[in-house]
Amino acid sequence: GDSVTQMEGPVTLSEEAFLTINCTYTATGYPSLFWYVQYPGEGLQLLLKATKADDKGSNKGFEATYRKETTSFHLEKGSVQVSDSAVYFCALSGTSYGKLTFGQGTILTVHP
Amino acid sequence: DAGVIQSPRHEVTEMGQEVTLRCKPISGHNSLFWYRQTMMRGLELLIYFNNNVPIDDSGMPEDRFSAKMPNASFSTLKIQPSEPRDSAVYFCASSPNRGESKNYGYTFGSGTRLTVV
Repeated sequence: GDSVTQMEGPVTLSEEAFLTINCTYTATGYPSLFWYVQYPGEGLQLLLKATKADDKGSNKGFEATYRKETTSFHLEKGSVQVSDSAVYFCALSGTSYGKLTFGQGTILTVHP
Repeated sequence: DAGVIQSPRHEVTEMGQEVTLRCKPISGHNSLFWYRQTMMRGLELLIYFNNNVPIDDSGMPEDRFSAKMPNASFSTLKIQPSEPRDSAVYFCASSPNRGESKNYGYTFGSGTRLTVV
């Protein structure tokens, strides 16, 4: 079945550092890929998405490229801010009724 | 649009009591999902509705849990009787339609934090 594996956290960075959170997936067919962000005490919000191979999703300075050859969708940001501290979830939507399969989440803490 | 609306935001109840969580999806969205989030198990899909019909309830942990969607604008998740291990944050999410979830993803509500003492 479909599965998503994220790098283990937590990740702690200083402000303005470069961020990478790794995500790899297993799925049949041609899934869509998503990154969601969850701020403390809130629900998950869609951060970015890519619906086909080689697509790049981007939003709020975050980027991720759909790499079918490596089955990956790594999240990157060139310069993180304290306000980026949150939990980040990688997810895929395969062929099964649009169900989203989530990774385990990565906690990011950014210090001033 | 007000987004996906869940109530209550917080619920504290005693073991053995009945708990009802409520969700109003985004107008026009035909798919609705209930998730549970805990530190130990992360996000778990409990049940999925399409056009008000339960499609997949394989994630419902046991018979104490039940979910209904009487119309397109309202769903409930009920736990009876509640137990301390049910303590978690319960999220509702909606999506435009069965096929569009793949490109659209979900819109989540803010969740209900349930504490069973």
